[in-house]
Amino acid sequence: SQTIHQWPATLVQPVGSPLSLECTVEGTSNPNLYWYRQAAGRGLQLLFYSVGIGQISSEVPQNLSASRPQDRQFILSSKKLLLSDSGFYLCAWSPGVGSPLHFGNGTRLTVT
Amino acid sequence: GQSLEQPSEVTAVEGAIVQINCTYQTSGFYGLSWYQQHDGGAPTFLSYNALDGLEETGRFSSFLSRSDSYGYLLLQELQMKDSASYFCAFSGSARQLTFGSGTQLTVLP
Repeated sequence: SQTIHQWPATLVQPVGSPLSLECTVEGTSNPNLYWYRQAAGRGLQLLFYSVGIGQISSEVPQNLSASRPQDRQFILSSKKLLLSDSGFYLCAWSPGVGSPLHFGNGTRLTVT
Repeated sequence: GQSLEQPSEVTAVEGAIVQINCTYQTSGFYGLSWYQQHDGGAPTFLSYNALDGLEETGRFSSFLSRSDSYGYLLLQELQMKDSASYFCAFSGSARQLTFGSGTQLTVLP
């Protein structure tokens, strides 16, 4: 069966520090991969998605970036965090565009 | 533009039936999905409608009317564990999921 791993679960970072969140998927090949952000009590905002290695689409302009160095690995990064980057970051995969998403357990990021 | 509307809060008692409505606006449409999210947890997939009609999965059912740009999630025999946020999401012209702001369901004993 397919599983998705996302870490760390929680993270507290000072403003201006770098960020690296990692997500890996097991049990499937060539998944579509996604990064979402959820502000407290709000819906999910799509940040990035990838349909293949090295293919990244950005939905929202921001100081975040994403990379997909391997088929089942998706990384969310920032060179300098802002206070507004605080939130709940969720990685997800799907077998194809428009198919149901399967989410990781999320990373709760607090920028201080 | 693209948008979804769903109620922010719904309250019901244990054993009751509750319906969470969702209306959407998009230039292209490929399906409506529903997700459940408990406090502090990740969303989990519940149901998907690509065509008009009712889809039933145990106590949960989801309905879609593409001509009305409208769908709903029906939860029957409510249990305390059903207290959670419920999100509708559509696949639009870009084929990526766009989520609503979520409906907080509170089940009372």
